[in-house]
Amino acid sequence: NAGVTQTPKFQVLKTGQSMTLQCAQDMNHNSMYWYRQDPGMGLRLIYYSASEGTTDKGEVPNGYNVSRLNKREFSLRLESAAPSQTSVYFCASSRGLRAEKLFFGSGTQLSVL
Amino acid sequence: AQSVTQLGSHVSVSEGALVLLRCNYSSSVPPYLFWYVQYPNQGLQLLLKYTTGATLVKGINGFEAEFKKSETSFHLTKPSAHMSDAAEYFCAVSAGVAGRRALTFGSGTRLQVQP
Repeated sequence: NAGVTQTPKFQVLKTGQSMTLQCAQDMNHNSMYWYRQDPGMGLRLIYYSASEGTTDKGEVPNGYNVSRLNKREFSLRLESAAPSQTSVYFCASSRGLRAEKLFFGSGTQLSVL
Repeated sequence: AQSVTQLGSHVSVSEGALVLLRCNYSSSVPPYLFWYVQYPNQGLQLLLKYTTGATLVKGINGFEAEFKKSETSFHLTKPSAHMSDAAEYFCAVSAGVAGRRALTFGSGTRLQVQP
């Protein structure tokens, strides 16, 4: 009964370091998403993957890359972390892009010093 | 383009009082609308959604919302607040043909329930 699993839960980086946030879902969902949550700004979409083999930019893609490794996994990479990327990151999945219920992971709290 | 505006970043009510959380949307096509709830240190959970059909939709935990096209609104209500309703609530919109567009979330409203 895992749902959407994100790793790690917490991470501290120095400016310029790189890292990859991992996300996996076990619900056979087609669509997956990465959001960032900042105080007073709600959730903003970074990238999404409507189906395996496709990825698209969201509202705030700059400084990030994604890989839809297979149907289950969708990773988010920060190539050169900046303090502005300090945030809580949520991965989510849904059966399809069309107005489906999103299932969220528990989040990754990232601090960039 | 699609967007959501939630009026009031913080709302405080007494236990047993009416809960009203406001959401207005902007969309160039018929929208699909959602309310999600986030409890501390957790991801978001779906409360309810409107796609087509009946404009008054009921969700979990006694919440409901009404889609009003003329007012471009989708306000969330609950007749009687409970302490366990204290959380952050997010309105979201998905537009595009048949909702084929990733969700755009509002900035959230934190609900406090006073005993």
